[in-house]
Amino acid sequence: DTGVSQDPRHKITKRGQNVTFRCDPISEHNRLYWYRQTLGQGPEFLTYFQNEAQLEKSRLLSDRFSAERPKGSFSTLEIQRTEQGDSAMYLCASSQPGANEQFFGPGTRLTVL
Amino acid sequence: GENVEQHPSTLSVQEGDSAVIKCTYSDSASNYFPWYKQELGKGPQLIIDIRSNVGEKKDQRIAVTLNKTAKHFSLHITETQPEDSAVYFCAVFERGANNLFFGTGTRLTVIP
Repeated sequence: DTGVSQDPRHKITKRGQNVTFRCDPISEHNRLYWYRQTLGQGPEFLTYFQNEAQLEKSRLLSDRFSAERPKGSFSTLEIQRTEQGDSAMYLCASSQPGANEQFFGPGTRLTVL
Repeated sequence: GENVEQHPSTLSVQEGDSAVIKCTYSDSASNYFPWYKQELGKGPQLIIDIRSNVGEKKDQRIAVTLNKTAKHFSLHITETQPEDSAVYFCAVFERGANNLFFGTGTRLTVIP
């Protein structure tokens, strides 16, 4: 399967814990996006990378959220000191150079108890 | 930022009938409009898209129309089948921010 992959698919954690999610984009896609989707809503943009450069991070929900893409391939999204309101589906998407089409992974469902 | 409104929120049709979902947007500079299908427990799947220099695009049973003047675009599904049942999202690409703004989704149910 050459699509976008995300790991883990599900994460249950206790309030106050840190969590980290991984996204592997489609090979040769230089742009990588993170979105959050809450129940009954459309995906909400968080941040994106072009290669290893994080070009937009003002939409990250708070300073507890951070993302990295150190080698321009896979990316990680970390949430520190999780809160119950962080419970959501975290989606990753990637796109080819110069293209608008974004292809999504299956998402990581986070539940904060 | 972009404001995307999507209607209806739920839609039920008989198998074989057509389904139409509509979206409006606010930024006249937006130039790319994709539609995604999301099944339970899965990520959104790109099913069709249209760019601002085109008024209509069709792919088998699915079509999208765009009215740039009125700032709205629609998804048309003909000869619906039970496997078309899913949540459909419209999205608008915001050039300045270089990301997609999504509508709130339409839950389509095709009744056999």
